[in-house]
Amino acid sequence: LAKTTQPISMDSYEGQEVNITCSHNNIATNDYITWYQQFPSQGPRFIIQGYKTKVTNEVASLFIPADRKSSTLSLPRVSLSDTAVYYCLVGDTHGGSARQLTFGSGTQLTVLP
Amino acid sequence: EAQVTQNPRYLITVTGKKLTVTCSQNMNHEYMSWYRQDPGLGLRQIYYSMNVEVTDKGDVPEGYKVSRKEKRNFPLILESPSPNQTSLYFCASASPGVNTEAFFGQGTRLTVV
Repeated sequence: LAKTTQPISMDSYEGQEVNITCSHNNIATNDYITWYQQFPSQGPRFIIQGYKTKVTNEVASLFIPADRKSSTLSLPRVSLSDTAVYYCLVGDTHGGSARQLTFGSGTQLTVLP
Repeated sequence: EAQVTQNPRYLITVTGKKLTVTCSQNMNHEYMSWYRQDPGLGLRQIYYSMNVEVTDKGDVPEGYKVSRKEKRNFPLILESPSPNQTSLYFCASASPGVNTEAFFGQGTRLTVV
């Protein structure tokens, strides 16, 4: 499984766009990149997944450069309720290794008023 | 409603008294997994199961047992709990395929005294 590196914490203000970058230098050809969000004392919740270029859904965008050695989760116009830990996961969704869903330390995002 | 249900939500027990935390999912997912979460250590995988009667160790399996006799249930068993197993536990399930979205239970906060 590819190892991921994220900033430990980030602060932002309400209404700003937040970008959280994850490094995964040894990502494999079949690996997908998935982001989860976790609030205190709750289970992680899926946010977005991508393989390359850009993916957008109703809550976030995911930018993946051509070399796929990093990815950036973008949260538009954050609010106080976006304060949470964000995890980047990398794994092969078609093979057995993906099922291990290994979480790193995550990034604690704090949104300030 | 698609969900992963853990029971109990809170449990205080004494050292050495066997206990079982149940996990059930109603999405017909093949993959299920158990995690523990401790301050400063993030989410660590205990065991996972690719399908019925197929289980494998995660990163921190010592002191735990699991079974997967039917697809919907994946109980976590602590034969002889110790204080260092005091933690917040999460069960997760997912289906194979391109989308690795995993669904997590509400969590079980276990205290071993």
